[in-house]
Amino acid sequence: DAGITQSPRHKVTETGTPVTLRCHQTENHRYMYWYRQDPGHGLRLIHYSYGVKDTDKGEVSDGYSVSRSKTEDFLLTLESATSSQTSVYFCAISEVTTGETQYFGPGTRLLVL
Amino acid sequence: AQSVTQLDSQVPVFEEAPVELRCNYSSSVSVYLFWYVQYPNQGLQLLLKYLSGSTLVKGINGFEAEFNKSQTSFHLRKPSVHISDTAEYFCAVSPYQKVTFGTGTKLQVIP
Repeated sequence: DAGITQSPRHKVTETGTPVTLRCHQTENHRYMYWYRQDPGHGLRLIHYSYGVKDTDKGEVSDGYSVSRSKTEDFLLTLESATSSQTSVYFCAISEVTTGETQYFGPGTRLLVL
Repeated sequence: AQSVTQLDSQVPVFEEAPVELRCNYSSSVSVYLFWYVQYPNQGLQLLLKYLSGSTLVKGINGFEAEFNKSQTSFHLRKPSVHISDTAEYFCAVSPYQKVTFGTGTKLQVIP
């Protein structure tokens, strides 16, 4: 298994509070991604990173920010959580992008009350 | 922009029967195609992928898929399913940097 961990694995928070999810990899892969998974929507890309301090938006980036200060860590922040951000969040990594397999972390279940 | 359509949200099938999970895509450029599997409470893992060459791609656990450019399809098949194949399956396309996933098909294998 690819060395990808996500923390926390479960979180319950209240509307309006900030939340930070962490993805940590030990594979030294260049690319890292944050997805959210919701019933009927599959996986949707939130943000991705193609190197330290290099990030770009995905299709559902509103309300989310990311940071990558080290190759191994990719943080996803919900500045002010809303109930619509209740979801399962997955981190993924790949060595290159085009045509390359993505390796997924175990996911974080976030419930915003 | 590209898109992926998985027409069947759920597919029930009896154990040892064959199964086909359908995937259609649209893209204005050539794409790479993937099937991922997600077991309960886990992340996704790659089943197989098509990059180029032979249109019949074999993957893990006895699965295979056929790329059909004229029909823009990449259907997943297995000749005989097992209980352990119960999972959700995602088709995905990737022409450039970003991968677009379908909405998933839940395969339920009935004993």
